Amino acid sequence: RKEVEQDPGPFNVPEGATVAFNCTYSNSASQSFFWYRQDCRKEPKLLMSVYSSGNEDGRFTAQLNRASQYISLLIRDSKLSDSATYLCVVRKRDYGGATNKLIFGTGTLLAVQP
Amino acid sequence: DGGITQSPKYLFRKEGQNVTLSCEQNLNHDAMYWYRQDPGQGLRLIYYSQIVNDFQKGDIAEGYSVSREKKESFPLTVTSAQKNPTAFYLCASSIRGTYNEQFFGPGTRLTVL
Repeated sequence: RKEVEQDPGPFNVPEGATVAFNCTYSNSASQSFFWYRQDCRKEPKLLMSVYSSGNEDGRFTAQLNRASQYISLLIRDSKLSDSATYLCVVRKRDYGGATNKLIFGTGTLLAVQP
Repeated sequence: DGGITQSPKYLFRKEGQNVTLSCEQNLNHDAMYWYRQDPGQGLRLIYYSQIVNDFQKGDIAEGYSVSREKKESFPLTVTSAQKNPTAFYLCASSIRGTYNEQFFGPGTRLTVL
């Protein structure tokens, strides 16, 4: 079983739609959670961190459920420029050192149609 | 401009050849990382370095080697022992420590002919 699992999509939605992505993680020692955005053939870029209380950044809302080991990303009023792959990322707790080890999901492809 | 550069953008190599991918950063970050990305798979960690002259194996280090002689540079060598080297290779850096964002370079797409 993969440590971080996502629905690969693609999600094809019209402009203005609301779309939600889900992600589950298997390691309860996971410490921090993120959503990265990756455009086609480009590098990933941090979209937002995910906090236990849930957090919002403009049209984007992220939520975390530690009991169910579940993370979500909601995008409201989708724009053409939102078309990309969204990567769910988990940072594992490191008891020994101070490493910053990230575990990446395979990503969910979003295509916003005009 | 501060950032991470990787070169070359595209690289072709014949089977049996070693090849070195360049990664340079001017962000003054102590920690640097190498990942590979394959279709249908998440990024996987090859090697990481938290400080100059020190590096550790990641999850898929076999067939790869690295060096960290300078803070700004973390080159990755893909050796002939790597059985499936064709992939998208991404270098990242961060401030040393557990909670800091990793910034990625633009990547090198390696194809073995």
